[in-house]
Amino acid sequence: GNSVTQMEGPVTLSEEAFLTINCTYTATGYPSLFWYVQYPGEGLQLLLKATKADDKGSNKGFEATYRKETTSFHLEKGSVQVSDSAVYFCALTPGGGGNKLTFGTGTQLKVEL
Amino acid sequence: GAGVSQSPRYKVAKRGQDVALRCDPISGHVSLFWYQQALGQGPEFLTYFQNEAQLDKSGLPSDRFFAERPEGSVSTLKIQRTQQEDSAVYLCASSLMGQGPTEAFFGQGTRLTVV
Repeated sequence: GNSVTQMEGPVTLSEEAFLTINCTYTATGYPSLFWYVQYPGEGLQLLLKATKADDKGSNKGFEATYRKETTSFHLEKGSVQVSDSAVYFCALTPGGGGNKLTFGTGTQLKVEL
Repeated sequence: GAGVSQSPRYKVAKRGQDVALRCDPISGHVSLFWYQQALGQGPEFLTYFQNEAQLDKSGLPSDRFFAERPEGSVSTLKIQRTQQEDSAVYLCASSLMGQGPTEAFFGQGTRLTVV
């Protein structure tokens, strides 16, 4: 079956530090890949997505590239802010058009001044 | 409202009690999903509706769980004879139908605590 593995948290960084949150996946065919973010007290929000190999998703300074050869979709940001503190979830939907999401366990990010 | 609305936000149930959780999706969204999120875990799929049709209920953990969407809009997730292991946040999401993957919009969830 499909699965997503992401690095455990919490990840604690100083403001303006570089962020990487690793995500790898197992899926048949060609899944679509997503990063969702959950800010404190709020619902899950889509951060970025990529639907085919070598696509780069980007939003709010965050980027992730769909790497089929390594089955990875690592999230990066060059300079984090305190407001980026949240839980980040990597997820996929299966190839073939289904929209059922399979999530990783989430990575909590804490950014300090 | 503009987003997916879930009620109640919090529910405490005594073991063995029946509960009903409501989801009001974004107007016009054909697809509706329910997910269960245990503490410290990612959301796990429970069931999927396309309009009023329940097309996938493979994630429902037992026959105590039942979901419906009779008019293709509001959905209710019902849990009968609740158990402690049912304690979790229940998330509802809705999306448009499309050729490719479409963005799922999530509600804030209902936190169920079974005591």
